[in-house]
Amino acid sequence: GENVEQHPSTLSVQEGDSAVIKCTYSDSASNYFPWYKQELGKGPQLIIDIRSNVGEKKDQRIAVTLNKTAKHFSLHITETQPEDSAVYFCAATPYGQNFVFGPGTRLSVLP
Amino acid sequence: EPEVTQTPSHQVTQMGQEVILRCVPISNHLYFYWYRQILGQKVEFLVSFYNNEISEKSEIFDDQFSVERPDGSNFTLKIRSTKLEDSAMYFCASVRSGQGNEQFFGPGTRLTVL
Repeated sequence: GENVEQHPSTLSVQEGDSAVIKCTYSDSASNYFPWYKQELGKGPQLIIDIRSNVGEKKDQRIAVTLNKTAKHFSLHITETQPEDSAVYFCAATPYGQNFVFGPGTRLSVLP
Repeated sequence: EPEVTQTPSHQVTQMGQEVILRCVPISNHLYFYWYRQILGQKVEFLVSFYNNEISEKSEIFDDQFSVERPDGSNFTLKIRSTKLEDSAMYFCASVRSGQGNEQFFGPGTRLTVL
């Protein structure tokens, strides 16, 4: 089955700097890769996703890149703000199957 | 904006007791999921449900667990005889159509088994 690894487990950045979180997956059949943000006491919320037919996707300060050959994808947050502080989870899924989440990255944006 | 809701937000129970966690998915969604998250760990898939039946379940979802969609709006997770290790956050999620698309998560129910 699918296995998703995520690094780093914790990340501290200064406000205004960029943050990068990387994930790898094992199942080459996976073709949908969402990123979820989880704030304390809340459920995960989708912030961006990418499908395997696309190499990069951007939404304002957030971007995701996908390298299918190497089986890894990354989340990039630019101009970080204190409200970006949260736990971020990547996930992978072959179409028609269920999400397999990475272990999460705790991002702290220091003012 | 429509959202997934879950009740209760926190449930405390004694080991061996039955609990029912309730979810109201987004109204036009067709696929429903339960996940759990043990404190400080990743979100783990439990079960998916479509067309009034389980479509997939994980190893965690053993005979102590069951799911039901008793009416057109609610989706429930029952744990028959709770164990200490069932203590976790339980999240319900729903998808509009087709699996592999954005799953909308509820706020979760924190289950504490004493």
